[in-house]
Amino acid sequence: DVKVTQSSRYLVKRTGEKVFLECVQDMDHENMFWYRQDPGLGLRLIYFSYDVKMKEKGDIPEGYSVSREKKERFSLILESASTNQTSMYLCASSLPSLGFTGRTGSQYFGPGTRLTVL
Amino acid sequence: GEDVEQSLFLSVREGDSSVINCTYTDSSSTYLYWYKQEPGAGLQLLTYIFSNMDMKQDQRLTVLLNKKDKHLSLRIADTQTGDSAIYFCAEFEGRRALTFGSGTRLQVQP
Repeated sequence: DVKVTQSSRYLVKRTGEKVFLECVQDMDHENMFWYRQDPGLGLRLIYFSYDVKMKEKGDIPEGYSVSREKKERFSLILESASTNQTSMYLCASSLPSLGFTGRTGSQYFGPGTRLTVL
Repeated sequence: GEDVEQSLFLSVREGDSSVINCTYTDSSSTYLYWYKQEPGAGLQLLTYIFSNMDMKQDQRLTVLLNKKDKHLSLRIADTQTGDSAIYFCAEFEGRRALTFGSGTRLQVQP
């Protein structure tokens, strides 16, 4: 079974603090993703990575950065946390999709980190 | 751009069938997915369907895809209280990450 773990389930930080959210997967997946989940908005993609040291912006990258130094680990960084970054953060990993070969690119999710910024 | 829409809420009685609907706009979608999220947990992949299929059945779950209307549905037979959760529809067109709907909260009444 794929296992995706996130460093914290709950986190409380103050405005202006630098925040690190860590994600580790144990299935040698090339792709890793960070989403935030807010009520009524579903999941919104922040950043994703196709390989070590590679990253691409998602739909809402402002205020965030990421780091992927090792294949199994993908970190989300809030350089200066703000109250509007209070949210549930979900990490996911997947193999690359290969068309209709059966490699579907299905994403596997961690349990989430609920971040509160005061 | 891609857009995936779902109704926000569905309530059913235990033992009835549930049907959760989803519409999407990207005609180049290759895969469509259903995920389940229980309270306080991450998303769990329930099932997926290739865009060249129109139906997939997996035990109590039936996925129907109408590619012409860009409509996807998830039918849960004999719905149980343990099925209460948020269900997300997602689509993937092969280039980047999944695009998720806003989720449908399924409430199962005993």
